[in-house]
Amino acid sequence: NAGVTQTPKFRVLKTGQSMTLLCAQDMNHEYMYWYRQDPGMGLRLIHYSVGEGTTAKGEVPDGYNVSRLKKQNFLLGLESAAPSQTSVYFCASSYRPAAPPWDTEAFFGQGTRLTVV
Amino acid sequence: TQLLEQSPQFLSIQEGENLTVYCNSSSVFSSLQWYRQEPGEGPVLLVTVVTGGEVKKLKRLTFQFGDARKDSSLHITAAQPGDTGLYLCAGKAAAGNKLTFGGGTRVLVKP
Repeated sequence: NAGVTQTPKFRVLKTGQSMTLLCAQDMNHEYMYWYRQDPGMGLRLIHYSVGEGTTAKGEVPDGYNVSRLKKQNFLLGLESAAPSQTSVYFCASSYRPAAPPWDTEAFFGQGTRLTVV
Repeated sequence: TQLLEQSPQFLSIQEGENLTVYCNSSSVFSSLQWYRQEPGEGPVLLVTVVTGGEVKKLKRLTFQFGDARKDSSLHITAAQPGDTGLYLCAGKAAAGNKLTFGGGTRVLVKP
């Protein structure tokens, strides 16, 4: 069982270049999330999705776009990369509970280390 | 935006000592989760607390959710080098599906 898989694991971009990070989960989870992790700042939510075809903004959405065309995949795009987007990006997924308690475990991928020069 | 503040940011102790990590907010959360993250890996859930005043124990780890559901603490008894890692608290508001993380506490347990 692979869980949550992120590709690529490492990437170096030049300022202005674009790229897409792929997140795939095989647990049939409804919810998927993209976070960025910077030193001393924990995890900050970029965008999230509560189901196939839906997306919503998190705390720090500027400069990023997402798409959830298939339930198992959640894509994070950077249209024009900036040095401020140098970070470690984590994807997570969780299932939607049918009954209380309403809070479920988030399963994380291993992260993508992105450097923008 | 609901903010979660963790303290301390960094903790270095000797094997066998006890430690406590705090997670505080001015907002009320429907639940609080604690995760541990090791280098090069994603966070892994340790526990979820959902009731004000709730105390949960996981071997040498004790988690408490404040009565007002605004704060939580993680206490480790007789810490071991294997407890070394980044501890993150995460809160979920009553409305919505967003999980908000604190800044993390980096714990180093020296043998």
